Amino acid sequence: DSGVTQTPKHLITATGQRVTLRCSPRSGDLSVYWYQQSLDQGLQFLIQYYNGEERAKGNILERFSAQQFPDLHSELNLSSLELGDSALYFCASSLTLGGEDTIYFGEGSWLTVV
Amino acid sequence: GQNIDQPTEMTATEGAIVQINCTYQTSGFNGLFWYQQHAGEAPTFLSYNVLDGLEEKGRFSSFLSRSKGYSYLLLKELQMKDSASYLCAVRDRSNDYKLSFGAGTTVTVRA
Repeated sequence: DSGVTQTPKHLITATGQRVTLRCSPRSGDLSVYWYQQSLDQGLQFLIQYYNGEERAKGNILERFSAQQFPDLHSELNLSSLELGDSALYFCASSLTLGGEDTIYFGEGSWLTVV
Repeated sequence: GQNIDQPTEMTATEGAIVQINCTYQTSGFNGLFWYQQHAGEAPTFLSYNVLDGLEEKGRFSSFLSRSKGYSYLLLKELQMKDSASYLCAVRDRSNDYKLSFGAGTTVTVRA
């Protein structure tokens, strides 16, 4: 158990709908990262937060948005869902931004769009 | 940005050694990580290199050459449970310490 908690673990929804994925980082970690992993593909970086502020941003679609709250948990909002958005969404956390800080991953949220 | 390249697949025999290479290009290198990922599961941390040289952790070792933009992960005394995808990831301080991953190398261990 990495200490990073993601909910829900599995989600099935229809095209055009909107979903929210939730992440609680490890206790004390200030940085939160979101990654998308489609079938047979690598981890695609979406966005990163540090202590409530957005930092690095990847190729995140405009239909997607994220936020890190004062209690450091984070949410990834996916709207106007398309079939191609079906993927495993990982949240990860680390103590700070750089250095030797290991980035720990949650178990992921499986999203299936039908 | 970063270009991270690693082989797609490798096969080895139980008890053998396998070396997974990773090359990268980045403007603000701030460390290289190796993760192991079993299908459908979370990546788990294996090693971290920021200085040149070899880091050894039990059956796993990782090497870094910053001047060559090159790293390898060495898996010794392979076990069946080592069959997994191995991900090379590079942190870039010129891009707010973003951690980017290679596509992963699927290692299959055969009896």
